[in-house]
Amino acid sequence: DQQVKQNSPSLSVQEGRISILNCDYTNSMFDYFLWYKKYPAEGPTFLISISSIKDKNEDGRFTVFLNKSAKHLSLHIVPSQPGDSAVYFCAASAGSNYQLIWGAGTKLIIKP
Amino acid sequence: DVKVTQSSRYLVKRTGEKVFLECVQDMDHENMFWYRQDPGLGLRLIYFSYDVKMKEKGDIPEGYSVSREKKERFSLILESASTNQTSMYLCASSPSSVVGELFFGEGSRLTVL
Repeated sequence: DQQVKQNSPSLSVQEGRISILNCDYTNSMFDYFLWYKKYPAEGPTFLISISSIKDKNEDGRFTVFLNKSAKHLSLHIVPSQPGDSAVYFCAASAGSNYQLIWGAGTKLIIKP
Repeated sequence: DVKVTQSSRYLVKRTGEKVFLECVQDMDHENMFWYRQDPGLGLRLIYFSYDVKMKEKGDIPEGYSVSREKKERFSLILESASTNQTSMYLCASSPSSVVGELFFGEGSRLTVL
């Protein structure tokens, strides 16, 4: 039973356009969501997060949107750059780092 | 620059061998974690530790044990490696139990033949 789902294993986007990565969750107790980025042969690095009391958080080219009623969050990258090519993981928590639940990841490919 | 260092990037072991994966962090973090990453499954928590000599089971602890004798070091032990433990193993640390950023090492890819 996957509580956090990233339904797109991969996504291909033209450089300069918007990349939208999606994540769905089933547990209504989740109150904090994070996105991590992972390059091959490296560990994941933290990208951006959002608390359930917000519906949007922005950091430079990265914006995360949270729709609690739909139990859906999305990561928008604008404009997409070649260095954004990586695997993106969505993670959710019910209040503790000991309880992070991770999605399977989406591989983003930015085409020149 | 914060650092989580995993001792071995690539290991090949035989079924039944004992395997040690070492992780060291230089950030004085209280919390350390061991995950495994498999295609299509994301990251799954094996064990975590919130203090020296303290350890708690994660979601998939079977076949693994851990040791935390010093604050900066967290070891993952496979007592008798099996082929289904072939995976990427990721160590992470964090300063607090409150949810927030985890700092990951580069990973250890283990192949069990």
